[in-house]
Amino acid sequence: KNEVEQSPQNLTAQEGEFITINCSYSVGISALHWLQQHPGGGIVSLFMLSSGKKKHGRLIATINIQEKHSSLHITASHPRDSAVYICAVNSQPQFYFGTGTSLTVIP
Amino acid sequence: DAGVIQSPRHEVTEMGQEVTLRCKPISGHNSLFWYRQTMMRGLELLIYFNNNVPIDDSGMPEDRFSAKMPNASFSTLKIQPSEPRDSAVYFCASSLIRDTEAFFGQGTRLTVV
Repeated sequence: KNEVEQSPQNLTAQEGEFITINCSYSVGISALHWLQQHPGGGIVSLFMLSSGKKKHGRLIATINIQEKHSSLHITASHPRDSAVYICAVNSQPQFYFGTGTSLTVIP
Repeated sequence: DAGVIQSPRHEVTEMGQEVTLRCKPISGHNSLFWYRQTMMRGLELLIYFNNNVPIDDSGMPEDRFSAKMPNASFSTLKIQPSEPRDSAVYFCASSLIRDTEAFFGQGTRLTVV
């Protein structure tokens, strides 16, 4: 049983498309993180959420605590957005990770 | 700040050897995390330090793994003896406190042959 489920696993989009990646979790959490891992392997933290919504440039992350669900949206997608996006939840003392969504944006 | 610094970037070692991975967190950050990433299991939290004290090491796979944080600017993850199944990328990350944005190092790619 996975405490964190992401969908889709793989996603291919045309440049400019609006993209949504979903994350559902089954445990109580204090925070949820969205991470981006580029093909080179480096990991960047995109958002840390405990409620509501956050926006950074073309990226928007939302969380619904009651429904135990979060979404990551990318507006006007670009080939440089191609990466693996990982959802992680802080369910103290544990951290649980989704298996990631591999996004490819085609020019 | 240079960010979280990990060394070495790559390590190839023979089974049975001791391996030490190093991490320098961002200055002023009180929380430090060690993660392991494999194709089979994805990302896993191994151990979490707060103010240099190990708070949760339930993710450490077995007694062959140990981690220390002797001061606020340095942490090590040691594997002794190493086994081929320990081959993975090991990431270190730090944050101001646990529930704030985490900053990741570039990772150490470990190969045990």
